[in-house]
Amino acid sequence: SAVISQKPSRDICQRGTSLTIQCQVDSQVTMMFWYRQQPGQSLTLIATANQGSEATYESGFVIDKFPISRPNLTFSTLTVSNLSPEDSSIYLCSVETGGNYEQYFGPGTRLTVT
Amino acid sequence: AQSVTQLDSQVPVFEEAPVELRCNYSSSVSVYLFWYVQYPNQGLQLLLKYLSGSTLVKGINGFEAEFNKSQTSFHLRKPSVHISDTAEYFCAVTRNTGGFKTIFGAGTRLFVKA
Repeated sequence: SAVISQKPSRDICQRGTSLTIQCQVDSQVTMMFWYRQQPGQSLTLIATANQGSEATYESGFVIDKFPISRPNLTFSTLTVSNLSPEDSSIYLCSVETGGNYEQYFGPGTRLTVT
Repeated sequence: AQSVTQLDSQVPVFEEAPVELRCNYSSSVSVYLFWYVQYPNQGLQLLLKYLSGSTLVKGINGFEAEFNKSQTSFHLRKPSVHISDTAEYFCAVTRNTGGFKTIFGAGTRLFVKA
C-alpha cells in the first residue's frame, strides 16, 4: 500500500496564472499518474510520470500546458499553466505499487479558476 | 483501445436492500478489472479487483463482483446496503500491454435512503 499527500488541497487562481501541485508518497514507487476529475465527472488520465524518464501524455494533454517533474521515487509535481476557467477541476495523483496493478490515490487538489 | 461503460449514473436504494451496479468493458488486449469507491469529500480507494482465477471476487465492506468474460461485464453487488455505502463507485480497467494505463467508467452514484 501507499499513503499519498497532495499540496495544496485547494486553491483559487486567476486566469492566466499557473498552479503547481505537489504529490508526496511515503514509499518509493516507479509509476505515478496524474488525473483530472472535472465536476461531476469521471477521472481522465493526464500523464504517466516514471522516474528517470520523460512523462508520457495522453491525447488531449500537452507538456506546455501540464509540465510534470519527477525528481525522485517519492515525489512529483504537476503544473497547470496559463489557467482558464475550463481548468477548474480536481487534480489527483496516484501510484501503482507492488505489481498488483491497483492504484493508490492522493486526496486531490481542488482548483478553481476565476 | 479500452472503454468502460457504467450503465447507471445514479442508483437510489433503501437501507438493507440489495444492490447491483453494472459495468461493461471492451478491450483489444488483456485487462485487469477494478472497482474503486469515492466517499463524499474523500479520495478514491480500492473496493476490489479481478486479476485472474476465481471469477467471483470479494472486497471490502461486504461488496463482491463477478467477472463474466463472455459478456465482458464486471458487475458489483452487495446483499444489504447501509447508509454509509452512499458514495460514487467507479469501474476501471487496467492494461499492462503497450504501457500501463487505466480507464475509468463515468461512475455510479449510489444513494442509500433510510
